[in-house]
Amino acid sequence: DIVMTQSPDSLAVSLGERATINCKSSQTVLYSSNNKNYLTWYQQKPGQPPKLLIYWASTRESGVPDRFSGSGSGTDFTLTISSLQAEDVAVYYCQQHYTTPLTFGQGTKVEIK
Amino acid sequence: EVQLVESGGGLVQPGGSLRLSCAASGFTLSSYWMHWVRQGPGKGLVWVSRINSDGSTTTYADSVKGRFTISRDNAKNTLYLQMSSLRPEDTAVYYCTRSSTGTWDQWGQGTLVTVSS
Repeated sequence: DIVMTQSPDSLAVSLGERATINCKSSQTVLYSSNNKNYLTWYQQKPGQPPKLLIYWASTRESGVPDRFSGSGSGTDFTLTISSLQAEDVAVYYCQQHYTTPLTFGQGTKVEIK
Repeated sequence: EVQLVESGGGLVQPGGSLRLSCAASGFTLSSYWMHWVRQGPGKGLVWVSRINSDGSTTTYADSVKGRFTISRDNAKNTLYLQMSSLRPEDTAVYYCTRSSTGTWDQWGQGTLVTVSS
């Protein structure tokens, strides 16, 4: 199984400041035939289902604010919130869909400092 | 509007069975692979199972293999998860999700399954 490890488990950031979440996979999620990273980021607010933010590691889903960006390739990935807003308080998950079992990181809780 | 609505959750005793349904609307279910994902109380997300667009191929997490069965009725625009031999550790909110370009772009609100005596 591919193990997804996020860091940190939680972080507190001041409004307007940058938040950075890391995600490391135990093996590559880069599919060589199409050069795509099978890595997705989701946001989950309390009492709600997850919401798709970023797919293919760096493609922002339609309607997602451009303060959210994803980067990385192979086994190391980053989700960046460039200027944290109050509505960004949530738990963020990375997930690989390179192979089954499809696996998630443990989640990173983002709060306001 | 694209919508996924789960139902069928509830309280069940260990060893019991339950069937979850996921009604799709606003899109053609038969065009998409579908998945079930669960989330235990205060826990993270765990993939459970997936089914291809015509129902001919299914895959399961090891933790549910042999106990859960995913199926679909495209004519009824509905996805199912038949759960048997339920254990306390199966207690979770169960979400159905739609797979698009490999990612899950639509999620239902979830249905709570509680396994307890």
